Amino acid sequence: DAEITQSPRHKITETGRQVTLACHQTWNHNNMFWYRQDLGHGLRLIHYSYGVQDTNKGEVSDGYSVSRSNTEDLPLTLESAASSQTSVYFCASSDRPAGGPAEQFFGPGTRLTVL
Amino acid sequence: GQNIDQPTEMTATEGAIVQINCTYQTSGFNGLFWYQQHAGEAPTFLSYNVLDGLEEKGRFSSFLSRSKGYSYLLLKELQMKDSASYLCAVSDSGGGADGLTFGKGTHLIIQP
Repeated sequence: DAEITQSPRHKITETGRQVTLACHQTWNHNNMFWYRQDLGHGLRLIHYSYGVQDTNKGEVSDGYSVSRSNTEDLPLTLESAASSQTSVYFCASSDRPAGGPAEQFFGPGTRLTVL
Repeated sequence: GQNIDQPTEMTATEGAIVQINCTYQTSGFNGLFWYQQHAGEAPTFLSYNVLDGLEEKGRFSSFLSRSKGYSYLLLKELQMKDSASYLCAVSDSGGGADGLTFGKGTHLIIQP
């Protein structure tokens, strides 16, 4: 069955370190997204991609970067981790079927703690 | 920008009906989504409205009024497993290419 996976599921790191969170989907969706979820804020969009070699900034992109070298993967990199980036990170993907809603499918999430 | 408001928490009784409201103010609009999220899990899609009116899907229905910037999610015949957070989200391009803007979510507690 097609799915979307994230790794690692849990990560503890130190301030200033570079961290990469992986996201992999097997639906062959063109669109992929990264969100972070924090108490009191809900889900907020970090970056998104329409397809290979395409990336776009979302609402809270500072300190994060993404790259899209193939359809299946959109890794999220924290260039220099900060305590404010402690959060749960969700990856999602979607496509746009003709005449239908573009439901986003979410991965299981990565809980990141920056000490 | 976009602003989405929904109640923080609601309590309802098993077997009853509950309505979760969502109001939004957006510069553009191309669809409103409802997602369900159980604690510690990923959000899962419930419904999508792009035109005014009611969309029904089993025990769940969602309503949209674009002129009022208003939507609600109606849950009937509540079950204990419906205890979860319900997220209202707006897209300004059909939720496909562009990301969604989410409200903070409504935590629904179902009591026996």
